[in-house]
Amino acid sequence: DSGVTQTPKHLITATGQRVTLRCSPRSGDLSVYWYQQSLDQGLQFLIQYYNGEERAKGNILERFSAQQFPDLHSELNLSSLELGDSALYFCASGGGGGTGELFFGEGSRLTVL
Amino acid sequence: AQTVTQSQPEMSVQEAETVTLSCTYDTSESNYYLFWYKQPPSRQMILVIRQEAYKQQNATENRFSVNFQKAAKSFSLKISDSQLGDTAMYFCAFKPPRSQGNLIFGKGTKLSVKP
Repeated sequence: DSGVTQTPKHLITATGQRVTLRCSPRSGDLSVYWYQQSLDQGLQFLIQYYNGEERAKGNILERFSAQQFPDLHSELNLSSLELGDSALYFCASGGGGGTGELFFGEGSRLTVL
Repeated sequence: AQTVTQSQPEMSVQEAETVTLSCTYDTSESNYYLFWYKQPPSRQMILVIRQEAYKQQNATENRFSVNFQKAAKSFSLKISDSQLGDTAMYFCAFKPPRSQGNLIFGKGTKLSVKP
């Protein structure tokens, strides 16, 4: 158990819809990272938050947004969904200290029909 | 920009044998972290081993060891005494030392351990 909690584990929705993925980081971790894993693109970094503030942005579409709340949990909002958004979305926390290690949640599997 | 390359999309090994997975990376940083993560069919991302670039000694974790060649920007993973449970996708990853730095992953190597 990594200590990172993601919900939901599975989500099926239709094109054009909007979904929200939730992540609770490990106790004590201030950073939250979101990654997208699709078959043809591998693991792509989307965005990082640190103590409520956006710290780094990767290949995140404008239809996607995220935020980190005062209790440090984070939400990734995906809107106007397209078939190509079907993927596994991972949240991770950590990245600091002496190891740089990221701890991953189990992922949220999104299927857009 | 940093990049990570895994040139072996798929590999297979017999149980109890040794296998080496390759990884090269490109960076202008002098200090950084390197990782190997394992993703079994359960899809959980599990850290296998880490290496700090300032350490010359290669990291080892039980049956897993790395060959870190900083000048060549190479970071290979050796799995000894392969077990059926080692069957998984293996991802090599690079991370700059800053707290806001994210992990940059290679595309992965699918390892199959055969009985």
